[in-house]
Amino acid sequence: GENVEQHPSTLSVQEGDSAVIKCTYSDSASNYFPWYKQELGKRPQLIIDIRSNVGEKKDQRIAVTLNKTAKHFSLHITETQPEDSAVYFCAASTNDMRFGAGTRLTVKP
Amino acid sequence: SQTIHQWPATLVQPVGSPLSLECTVEGTSNPNLYWYRQAAGRGLQLLFYSVGIGQISSEVPQNLSASRPQDRQFILSSKKLLLSDSGFYLCAWSAGSINNQPQHFGDGTRLSIL
Repeated sequence: GENVEQHPSTLSVQEGDSAVIKCTYSDSASNYFPWYKQELGKRPQLIIDIRSNVGEKKDQRIAVTLNKTAKHFSLHITETQPEDSAVYFCAASTNDMRFGAGTRLTVKP
Repeated sequence: SQTIHQWPATLVQPVGSPLSLECTVEGTSNPNLYWYRQAAGRGLQLLFYSVGIGQISSEVPQNLSASRPQDRQFILSSKKLLLSDSGFYLCAWSAGSINNQPQHFGDGTRLSIL
């Protein structure tokens, strides 16, 4: 089955800097890649997703890139703000969705 | 629009007691439904998923079970809770008729076993 690895497990950046979180997946049939943000004690919420027919997608300060050949995808957050502090999960999906272990992002004011 | 409800929000139970957590979805038909457990500071562990009434797939062997008595109702149960069952339980749904759709999570139940 699908295996998703996520790096780094923790990430600390200064407010205004960029943050990048990377994921790799094992199943070349995976064709849908969502990213979730989970604030402390809250539910994971979808922030952006990308499908395999697209190499990059952007939504304001958030972008996701996908390299199907290398089987990896990344989340990019620019101009980080303290409210971006949360745990971020990547996932890869064919018929099943598998999640990465999460990245705890801390944005220091 | 679609909404997902989970209850209770928090629960404190003694070891050996039974458990029933309920999840309902509104505004959609024939959703895929999921139960996840999240230990403190950890990732999402898929416990069960269902593609239809009475259809349950289990991801990990454990003392938990799931049932789907109605199209938009998903129940997580246990006959005898263990200390290791403590955690944050999340229900989620996705559109059942279309592959590769996002999962949408409920607010979760924080379960503490004493």
